[in-house]
Amino acid sequence: DAGVIQSPRHEVTEMGQEVTLRCKPISGHNSLFWYRQTMMRGLELLIYFNNNVPIDDSGMPEDRFSAKMPNASFSTLKIQPSEPRDSAVYFCASSYGQLETQYFGPGTRLLVL
Amino acid sequence: GQSLEQPSEVTAVEGAIVQINCTYQTSGFYGLSWYQQHDGGAPTFLSYNALDGLEETGRFSSFLSRSDSYGYLLLQELQMKDSASYFCAVAGKLTFGGGTRVLVKP
Repeated sequence: DAGVIQSPRHEVTEMGQEVTLRCKPISGHNSLFWYRQTMMRGLELLIYFNNNVPIDDSGMPEDRFSAKMPNASFSTLKIQPSEPRDSAVYFCASSYGQLETQYFGPGTRLLVL
Repeated sequence: GQSLEQPSEVTAVEGAIVQINCTYQTSGFYGLSWYQQHDGGAPTFLSYNALDGLEETGRFSSFLSRSDSYGYLLLQELQMKDSASYFCAVAGKLTFGGGTRVLVKP
């Protein structure tokens, strides 16, 4: 398997622009996670899907963030409008279940100017 | 809520042994996981303890004491490639500790 695939790997945008991050989980995994990592706040869970259904979105910072999982092989994390404080590395991870080992994608490095 | 505490940084020389402690507070506990992350890379799974005791995987071992809400990761025969950040995480809670940066010197 190719592992978790994320795109783009790097994104530079200007404040106020819409940003869409994409993730393809490992085939057969039924749980998908979006994390954000910064030096100040460490690794934070944003949202968790199980069988394509959002289970826990308590980590989503505010209404500017939204996430979807239209099918088992694709998820998006959207930021609209983006702000400089959103600059971070965003990781997608997948697993066979909430208690199982998580496999992380390479991350998307987002810089909002 | 949940919280995990681990030291921020550890420095050691090649061939040495390093122990990274992790204490946690959580409601409902299924187990403790450890992940490794190299600079610029993604976290990768190292080990998982669901029960008390020691789990050994090559040069790395992980220990858990549920009664003490405590675990540790033991890195033996340190190599330069072990320089990375190491995170403990409570399984099922999707909460990670702040990470311990391990610097291995020649």
